[in-house]
Amino acid sequence: GAGVSQSPRYKVAKRGQDVALRCDPISGHVSLFWYQQALGQGPEFLTYFQNEAQLDKSGLPSDRFFAERPEGSVSTLKIQRTQQEDSAVYLCASSPRQGRYSNQPQHFGDGTRLSIL
Amino acid sequence: AQTVTQSQPEMSVQEAETVTLSCTYDTSESDYYLFWYKQPPSRQMILVIRQEAYKQQNATENRFSVNFQKAAKSFSLKISDSQLGDAAMYFCAYRGATNKLIFGTGTLLAVQP
Repeated sequence: GAGVSQSPRYKVAKRGQDVALRCDPISGHVSLFWYQQALGQGPEFLTYFQNEAQLDKSGLPSDRFFAERPEGSVSTLKIQRTQQEDSAVYLCASSPRQGRYSNQPQHFGDGTRLSIL
Repeated sequence: AQTVTQSQPEMSVQEAETVTLSCTYDTSESDYYLFWYKQPPSRQMILVIRQEAYKQQNATENRFSVNFQKAAKSFSLKISDSQLGDAAMYFCAYRGATNKLIFGTGTLLAVQP
């Protein structure tokens, strides 16, 4: 597709439920990132994939958060036993291979707004 | 750890005027990239401009330009001839060796007709 696609655009869940958020990166983009954006704040890094390899998951706030990209394309962010503090916008970004000498920017999707009741 | 600071929560500018948004950062790395992203209410982050730290020349993209001062760790964005469509949240972001973007808290820009 032309851009990064995220679904659903909005998700409402009850506390304790599991949710799954999907990201379709730009075709051919090797790198994929997930960010969490709380209301009125800047996005914060969650995790980073290069192809199917999860190279950095240092931003995942707890073991309830899990991300995968099994075929190096579509990625899913899963949150188990959701809590109210998980309410946020979850942004996905993709780019050609990132690296020390690459000035390629990350291209973002529209995000999924997650509300936990 | 790297940090990015935007000290102006809100700014306002008259249409056709010029406005400068401030950004400072802290890092011990010598190679890195800096970005300004725009986020309208639709939520999508849109790249405005990028700067490579090894380049001394300030980046420009049409009405958008930066004042990059590496020694001072400052990276301000200048918007010339402001338009109503420029109204949005603007985020300064840093990318270093870890490849992840580190964002500031943003500046909400209002454009007055």
